[in-house]
Amino acid sequence: SYELTQPLSVSVALGQTAKISCGGKNIGSKSVHWYQQKPGQAPVLVIYRDSNRPSGIPERISGSNSGNTATLTISRAQAGDEADYYCQVWDSSTAIVVFGGGTKLTVL
Amino acid sequence: QLQLQESGPGLVKPSETLSLTCTVSGGSIGSGTYYWGWIRQPPGKGLEYIGIIYYSGSTYYNPSLKSRVTISVDTSKNQFSLKVSSVTAADTAVYYCARHSPHYDWGRGTFDYWGQGTLVTVSS
Repeated sequence: SYELTQPLSVSVALGQTAKISCGGKNIGSKSVHWYQQKPGQAPVLVIYRDSNRPSGIPERISGSNSGNTATLTISRAQAGDEADYYCQVWDSSTAIVVFGGGTKLTVL
Repeated sequence: QLQLQESGPGLVKPSETLSLTCTVSGGSIGSGTYYWGWIRQPPGKGLEYIGIIYYSGSTYYNPSLKSRVTISVDTSKNQFSLKVSSVTAADTAVYYCARHSPHYDWGRGTFDYWGQGTLVTVSS
């Protein structure tokens, strides 16, 4: 089965840029989606199809995907960005959803 | 604005069947535009895909749970439901319902609207 690997935690200084990786075999050939989950809340879709932002998601949140790694980038990090972030892929041929293990982002 | 709301017992005994319902408002399951799904999250852990359903009743399940899971739909009530049989403590989790891909964009594969989640504890 396909696996996605994320770092357990990432720290970033206030106002700086955070990068959260999501590793998978040839993940660059797949569409990657990212969710933000704050404590006690449901996940929120922040990036779909590698680099697209749903309505209401700020431009300082961006995504990229190539080779064996997809990356979520949060520029000008704010205290409100502290959350768990999950990457996800979808195999449309088998209808299987795979989530990464999640990364806790801490803004210092 | 689309809203999803999970409902069902918060406590289930081991070996019994967990049953949850997701009520959709602000949108119609019966329109056939979208697929609808269930995801769960054990306390302090990550997200786990359970499965998705179309208004017609077509279902797709996570292979690791397939033998114990049933997802069904009731378009007259604008609801879809989840049953997990023979539960153990490992099934203790927050269960979320969510909207999945539109039928015309099967390749999209996102969950773009989520319910608030409901905690189900398996304990005697």
